[in-house]
Amino acid sequence: AQTVTQSQPEMSVQEAETVTLSCTYDTSESDYYLFWYKQPPSRQMILVIRQEAYKQQNATENRFSVNFQKAAKSFSLKISDSQLGDAAMYFCAYSRCYQSSNDYKLSFGAGTTVTVRA
Amino acid sequence: SAVISQKPSRDICQRGTSLTIQCQVDSQVTMMFWYRQQPGQSLTLIATANQGSEATYESGFVIDKFPISRPNLTFSTLTVSNMSPEDSSIYLCSVAWALNEGYTFGSGTRLTVV
Repeated sequence: AQTVTQSQPEMSVQEAETVTLSCTYDTSESDYYLFWYKQPPSRQMILVIRQEAYKQQNATENRFSVNFQKAAKSFSLKISDSQLGDAAMYFCAYSRCYQSSNDYKLSFGAGTTVTVRA
Repeated sequence: SAVISQKPSRDICQRGTSLTIQCQVDSQVTMMFWYRQQPGQSLTLIATANQGSEATYESGFVIDKFPISRPNLTFSTLTVSNMSPEDSSIYLCSVAWALNEGYTFGSGTRLTVV
């Protein structure tokens, strides 16, 4: 079974500064997807960024970027130039690839609550 | 990506009763997923629903308590049966899009059992 571990229950960052959220996972698969989701108080799950395991290049979406270390099974999220609207709970998630398995459910980490100080 | 309409957004129910949650997707999808999220915690998968077959339940969840229907490729329901206060949670549905390059979630149902 795949497990996803987020070891930081809470992180606080000053507005305009940078914060990094850590995530590690365990899998025996070679092809898979990794995701970061954001859940603000509205409880809507919002996809922040995704990474295909077969791609060595780290994904980037505007102020959000990841550091994907496949051998170390690590997938950290960096939020640059933090904004008040970034305050939310962030979940790291893993899924197998559709092409390699008909079991491609998402497995989530415990989540990290990000607070942004004005 | 798909768009999901989930209803109701919230409800307060008496213990011993049942609540059915609906998710409507704007496109055909193979699998739909149902999650429970207890306050301040992560999402736990309840079951995976395929059209035309029995749902697959995760360990700790049973069909008698959480019956699921999947009558077509755009719709699914989850029923929380014989509710107790311990069932108070947020329930979310989800679908995978573009094979499984991404996942979209409904807006969630906040259930309070009194």
